Amino acid sequence: EVQLVESGGGLVQPGGSLRLSCAASGFIFSSYEMNWVRQAPGKGLEWVSYISSSGNAIYYADSVKGRFTISRDNAKNSLYLQMNSLRAADTAVYFCVRERVAVSGAPLDYWGQGTLVTVSS
Amino acid sequence: QSVLTQPPSASGTPGQRVTISCSGSSSNIGSHAVNWYQQLPGTAPRLLIYSNNQRPSEVPDRFSGSKSGTSASLAISGLQSEDETDYYCAAWDGSLNGQVFGGGTKLTVL
Repeated sequence: EVQLVESGGGLVQPGGSLRLSCAASGFIFSSYEMNWVRQAPGKGLEWVSYISSSGNAIYYADSVKGRFTISRDNAKNSLYLQMNSLRAADTAVYFCVRERVAVSGAPLDYWGQGTLVTVSS
Repeated sequence: QSVLTQPPSASGTPGQRVTISCSGSSSNIGSHAVNWYQQLPGTAPRLLIYSNNQRPSEVPDRFSGSKSGTSASLAISGLQSEDETDYYCAAWDGSLNGQVFGGGTKLTVL
């Protein structure tokens, strides 16, 4: 069974940092591209970042570029999101999401349960 | 302001067929496949339709998708009360080098 379990969320002050982790199981993690998607309270979905299966290709939403860093450790079946210079607008539930392979359109086929990040003083 | 445009709400009666539209541009829907997600309250989204019109095996065939030019649609036939929830369209955007989502449509079953 595919499982994605996020951790590391919490309350942080504006300007602070937080590192999210996602533990993957039930599939060959090193073969899949991964993403982070977030959802602010009561709002819609917003894509945050993408990383290729090898980690060689990385993309970010303009809203987090220069502040967030996505990475992965295929030996540990883990995905990470380092978040620096956090703002109130970054308050959201952050989902770790797997991308379906060999299918056009980059569909996101498995989602974690999400971890809440709250940026507030 | 979302890159893809969806109506904020839609409604229908049990058994009816409803459609939800999703409008984009040449850099996203116009040149990449569209995916649809369903999100029940308090849960993570789940993939409903991928590659414009493909259904994961666990999704009932009451759900279907289509695409034409820079627009796409999700159709739900035989509407059921359990379909009352939020729906999102999404596509890769070649100009932004990232996924873009619609703002979401809240479906009400009257």
